[in-house]
Amino acid sequence: DIQMTQSPSAMSASVGDTVTITCRASQDISNYLAWFRQEPGKVPKRLIYAASSLESGVPSRFSGGGSGTQFTLTITSLQPEDLATYYCLQHYTYPYTFGQGTKLEI
Amino acid sequence: QVHLVESGGGLVKPGGSLRLSCAASGFTFSDYYMTWIRQAPGKGLEWLSYISSTSTYTNYVDSVKGRFTISRDNAKNSLYLQMNSLRAEDTAVYYCARDTAVSYWGQGTLVTVSS
Repeated sequence: DIQMTQSPSAMSASVGDTVTITCRASQDISNYLAWFRQEPGKVPKRLIYAASSLESGVPSRFSGGGSGTQFTLTITSLQPEDLATYYCLQHYTYPYTFGQGTKLEI
Repeated sequence: QVHLVESGGGLVKPGGSLRLSCAASGFTFSDYYMTWIRQAPGKGLEWLSYISSTSTYTNYVDSVKGRFTISRDNAKNSLYLQMNSLRAEDTAVYYCARDTAVSYWGQGTLVTVSS
């Protein structure tokens, strides 16, 4: 199975900051990677697909990058509502696998 | 507007069975692969299973293989997850989701396995 390792597992930042979350795959997954945000007590929502394509309606301060085994989710101009846990998902090879999550505290 | 509504969750004893359903609307259900994902209390997300648009292909994570069965009824725009031999560690919120890249999620249904 492909292992997805997210870092950091938790982080604290301030409103207006820029943060970057990294997801590393244990083998090449091309660009078959998506990023999700789960606010406390809510259903996860997809932010990024195909590693770098922004989901419709998601603010442009979210961006994704990378391919192969190394991927990033960058959030600029942090807002209070960005308090959430962020997950990556590889959907290249079955079984698909999520990263363990990055909890972002504002 | 895509809408996915899970049902069928509840309290079940270890070793018991449960069948989850997911009613889909707002898109052509028969065109899409569908996925089940779960989240144990306070834990991360776990991808469980997928089924192709015509039910030809399915796949499962090892932790549920042989115990869970995914199925669909395109005439009813419905996705199912039959869960047998349930264990305490299967306690989680179960989400259905559209397509393999998980573009849309249902609101989830809670399954609690406890004696």
